[in-house]
Amino acid sequence: DQQVKQNSPSLSVQEGRISILNCDYTNSMFDYFLWYKKYPAEGPTFLISISSIKDKNEDGRFTVFLNKSAKHLSLHIVPSQPGDSAVYFCAASRNAGNMLTFGGGTRLMVKP
Amino acid sequence: ETGVTQTPRHLVMGMTNKKSLKCEQHLGHNAMYWYKQSAKKPLELMFVYSLEERVENNSVPSRFSPECPNSSHLFLHLHTLQPEDSALYLCASSQALSTDTQYFGPGTRLTVL
Repeated sequence: DQQVKQNSPSLSVQEGRISILNCDYTNSMFDYFLWYKKYPAEGPTFLISISSIKDKNEDGRFTVFLNKSAKHLSLHIVPSQPGDSAVYFCAASRNAGNMLTFGGGTRLMVKP
Repeated sequence: ETGVTQTPRHLVMGMTNKKSLKCEQHLGHNAMYWYKQSAKKPLELMFVYSLEERVENNSVPSRFSPECPNSSHLFLHLHTLQPEDSALYLCASSQALSTDTQYFGPGTRLTVL
Protein backbone atom coordinates (compact mmCIF):
# COMPACT_ATOMS: atom_id res chain seq x y z
CA ASP A 1 0.00 0.00 0.00
CA GLN A 2 1.67 3.18 -1.21
CA GLN A 3 1.70 5.89 1.41
CA VAL A 4 2.91 8.52 -1.05
CA LYS A 5 1.33 8.66 -4.48
CA GLN A 6 1.99 10.65 -7.59
CA ASN A 7 -0.98 9.86 -9.76
CA SER A 8 0.29 11.47 -12.94
CA PRO A 9 3.11 9.45 -14.46
CA SER A 10 3.85 12.18 -16.96
CA LEU A 11 3.20 15.85 -17.69
CA SER A 12 3.94 17.91 -20.77
CA VAL A 13 4.17 21.69 -20.56
CA GLN A 14 5.14 24.46 -22.95
CA GLU A 15 8.26 26.46 -22.15
CA GLY A 16 7.43 29.57 -20.14
CA ARG A 17 4.21 28.16 -18.74
CA ILE A 18 3.59 26.83 -15.26
CA SER A 19 4.22 23.18 -14.38
CA ILE A 20 2.19 21.77 -11.52
CA LEU A 21 3.17 18.40 -10.11
CA ASN A 22 0.94 16.78 -7.54
CA CYS A 23 1.49 14.38 -4.68
CA ASP A 24 -0.90 12.78 -2.22
CA TYR A 25 -0.10 10.97 0.99
CA THR A 26 -2.08 8.81 3.36
CA ASN A 27 0.00 8.75 6.56
CA SER A 28 -1.01 11.65 8.80
CA MET A 29 2.20 11.16 10.79
CA PHE A 30 4.28 12.56 7.94
CA ASP A 31 5.57 15.97 8.93
CA TYR A 32 8.26 16.77 6.40
CA PHE A 33 7.98 16.68 2.63
CA LEU A 34 10.55 16.95 -0.10
CA TRP A 35 10.77 17.07 -3.86
CA TYR A 36 13.64 15.49 -5.75
CA LYS A 37 14.49 15.79 -9.41
CA LYS A 38 16.11 12.99 -11.39
CA TYR A 39 17.80 13.14 -14.76
CA PRO A 40 18.51 9.92 -16.69
CA ALA A 41 21.61 8.04 -15.52
CA GLU A 42 21.89 10.25 -12.45
CA GLY A 43 20.69 9.89 -8.89
CA PRO A 44 17.86 12.07 -7.56
CA THR A 45 18.87 15.57 -6.48
CA PHE A 46 17.14 17.53 -3.76
CA LEU A 47 14.98 20.39 -5.00
CA ILE A 48 12.85 21.87 -2.24
CA SER A 49 11.23 20.84 1.03
CA ILE A 50 8.47 21.92 3.37
CA SER A 51 7.72 21.26 7.00
CA SER A 52 4.17 20.52 8.12
CA ILE A 53 4.11 23.75 10.12
CA LYS A 54 4.09 25.66 6.85
CA ASP A 55 1.76 25.66 3.87
CA LYS A 56 4.10 27.19 1.34
CA ASN A 57 7.80 27.33 0.63
CA GLU A 58 9.34 29.18 -2.27
CA ASP A 59 12.79 28.98 -3.81
CA GLY A 60 13.25 30.89 -7.03
CA ARG A 61 11.08 29.37 -9.75
CA PHE A 62 10.01 26.51 -7.46
CA THR A 63 7.20 26.68 -4.93
CA VAL A 64 5.84 23.83 -2.87
CA PHE A 65 2.35 24.03 -1.39
CA LEU A 66 1.12 21.80 1.40
CA ASN A 67 -2.54 21.17 2.19
CA LYS A 68 -2.50 19.08 5.35
CA SER A 69 -6.25 18.62 5.57
CA ALA A 70 -6.30 17.17 2.07
CA LYS A 71 -2.98 15.35 2.57
CA HIS A 72 -1.82 16.88 -0.65
CA LEU A 73 1.21 18.76 -1.80
CA SER A 74 2.15 20.25 -5.10
CA LEU A 75 5.23 21.62 -6.77
CA HIS A 76 4.86 24.64 -9.01
CA ILE A 77 7.56 25.55 -11.49
CA VAL A 78 7.18 28.91 -13.16
CA PRO A 79 8.30 29.71 -15.73
CA SER A 80 9.08 26.19 -16.91
CA GLN A 81 12.29 25.70 -18.87
CA PRO A 82 13.41 22.83 -21.14
CA GLY A 83 16.14 22.03 -18.61
CA ASP A 84 13.43 21.23 -16.08
CA SER A 85 12.55 18.13 -18.09
CA ALA A 86 13.19 15.28 -15.66
CA VAL A 87 11.42 12.87 -13.34
CA TYR A 88 10.19 14.52 -10.15
CA PHE A 89 9.78 12.50 -6.97
CA CYS A 90 7.77 13.52 -3.97
CA ALA A 91 8.98 12.15 -0.60
CA ALA A 92 7.77 12.28 2.97
CA SER A 93 9.14 11.52 6.40
CA ARG A 94 7.85 11.58 9.97
CA ASN A 95 9.15 12.71 13.32
CA ALA A 96 11.59 15.00 11.51
CA GLY A 97 13.58 11.93 10.62
CA ASN A 98 15.20 10.95 7.40
CA MET A 99 13.49 7.66 6.58
CA LEU A 100 11.99 8.85 3.35
CA THR A 101 8.97 7.32 1.67
CA PHE A 102 8.91 8.18 -2.02
CA GLY A 103 6.17 8.51 -4.56
CA GLY A 104 6.44 6.83 -7.93
CA GLY A 105 7.57 9.93 -9.78
CA THR A 106 6.17 12.16 -12.51
CA ARG A 107 8.04 12.67 -15.75
CA LEU A 108 7.93 16.32 -16.75
CA MET A 109 8.60 17.29 -20.35
CA VAL A 110 8.98 20.98 -21.09
CA LYS A 111 8.68 21.69 -24.79
CA PRO A 112 10.58 24.61 -26.33
CA GLU B 1 35.82 12.72 -6.95
CA THR B 2 33.06 14.60 -5.26
CA GLY B 3 29.60 13.68 -4.01
CA VAL B 4 28.39 10.11 -3.88
CA THR B 5 29.83 7.50 -6.21
CA GLN B 6 28.61 3.98 -6.89
CA THR B 7 30.32 1.07 -8.57
CA PRO B 8 29.65 -0.76 -10.72
CA ARG B 9 27.14 1.28 -12.71
CA HIS B 10 25.77 -1.83 -14.37
CA LEU B 11 25.84 -5.43 -13.17
CA VAL B 12 24.49 -8.63 -14.68
CA MET B 13 24.58 -11.69 -12.48
CA GLY B 14 23.20 -15.17 -12.30
CA MET B 15 21.07 -16.39 -9.45
CA THR B 16 23.90 -18.37 -7.90
CA ASN B 17 26.50 -15.59 -8.07
CA LYS B 18 27.80 -13.50 -5.21
CA LYS B 19 28.50 -9.88 -5.97
CA SER B 20 28.83 -6.62 -4.08
CA LEU B 21 27.72 -3.09 -4.78
CA LYS B 22 29.92 -0.30 -3.50
CA CYS B 23 29.03 3.22 -2.46
CA GLU B 24 31.44 5.92 -1.41
CA GLN B 25 30.63 9.42 -0.23
CA HIS B 26 33.14 12.24 -0.24
CA LEU B 27 30.96 14.69 1.69
CA GLY B 28 31.93 13.94 5.28
CA HIS B 29 28.43 12.70 6.04
CA ASN B 30 27.48 10.44 8.93
CA ALA B 31 24.42 8.68 7.55
CA MET B 32 24.18 6.43 4.51
CA TYR B 33 21.25 4.70 2.84
CA TRP B 34 20.46 1.97 0.32
CA TYR B 35 17.35 2.35 -1.84
CA LYS B 36 15.85 0.05 -4.44
CA GLN B 37 13.90 1.27 -7.45
CA SER B 38 12.10 -1.49 -9.34
CA ALA B 39 10.39 -0.87 -12.64
CA LYS B 40 7.20 1.15 -12.20
CA LYS B 41 7.57 1.22 -8.41
CA PRO B 42 8.59 4.00 -6.04
CA LEU B 43 12.01 4.20 -4.49
CA GLU B 44 12.05 1.88 -1.48
CA LEU B 45 14.30 2.44 1.49
CA MET B 46 16.23 -0.75 2.25
CA PHE B 47 18.86 0.06 4.88
CA VAL B 48 20.00 3.03 6.91
CA TYR B 49 23.33 3.44 8.66
CA SER B 50 24.24 6.20 11.07
CA LEU B 51 27.82 6.43 12.32
CA GLU B 52 28.40 2.96 10.90
CA GLU B 53 25.56 1.44 12.93
CA ARG B 54 22.55 0.01 11.15
CA VAL B 55 19.43 1.84 12.32
CA GLU B 56 16.84 0.65 9.85
CA ASN B 57 16.18 -2.53 7.97
CA ASN B 58 12.95 -2.39 6.05
CA SER B 59 12.12 -6.10 5.97
CA VAL B 60 14.70 -6.75 3.32
CA PRO B 61 15.38 -10.42 2.43
CA SER B 62 18.58 -11.84 3.87
CA ARG B 63 19.99 -12.37 0.37
CA PHE B 64 20.82 -8.64 0.62
CA SER B 65 23.49 -8.00 3.23
CA PRO B 66 24.72 -4.46 3.90
CA GLU B 67 28.08 -3.52 5.34
CA CYS B 68 29.31 -0.15 6.51
CA PRO B 69 33.01 -0.42 7.42
CA ASN B 70 33.39 3.32 7.94
CA SER B 71 31.34 6.47 7.51
CA SER B 72 32.50 6.95 3.92
CA HIS B 73 31.79 3.49 2.53
CA LEU B 74 28.70 1.37 2.22
CA PHE B 75 28.43 -2.01 0.57
CA LEU B 76 25.51 -4.18 -0.44
CA HIS B 77 26.48 -7.82 -0.69
CA LEU B 78 24.28 -9.86 -2.99
CA HIS B 79 23.85 -13.64 -2.78
CA THR B 80 21.44 -16.03 -4.54
CA LEU B 81 19.29 -13.27 -5.91
CA GLN B 82 16.06 -13.75 -7.84
CA PRO B 83 15.13 -12.24 -11.22
CA GLU B 84 12.61 -9.99 -9.43
CA ASP B 85 15.56 -8.38 -7.62
CA SER B 86 16.55 -6.75 -10.90
CA ALA B 87 16.32 -3.02 -10.22
CA LEU B 88 18.21 0.22 -9.86
CA TYR B 89 20.00 0.33 -6.50
CA LEU B 90 20.67 3.81 -5.23
CA CYS B 91 22.95 4.86 -2.41
CA ALA B 92 22.50 8.14 -0.57
CA SER B 93 24.14 10.00 2.28
CA SER B 94 23.23 12.85 4.60
CA GLN B 95 25.02 14.81 7.27
CA ALA B 96 22.88 13.24 9.98
CA LEU B 97 19.69 11.26 10.47
CA SER B 98 17.67 14.44 10.82
CA THR B 99 15.97 16.01 7.87
CA ASP B 100 19.28 16.95 6.31
CA THR B 101 19.22 16.71 2.57
CA GLN B 102 20.11 13.30 1.18
CA TYR B 103 22.57 13.23 -1.66
CA PHE B 104 22.17 10.33 -4.06
CA GLY B 105 24.67 8.44 -6.12
CA PRO B 106 23.94 7.60 -9.77
CA GLY B 107 22.84 4.07 -8.93
CA THR B 108 23.77 0.55 -10.02
CA ARG B 109 21.52 -1.03 -12.61
CA LEU B 110 21.32 -4.69 -11.58
CA THR B 111 20.01 -7.45 -13.81
CA VAL B 112 19.57 -10.93 -12.37
CA LEU B 113 19.30 -13.67 -14.96
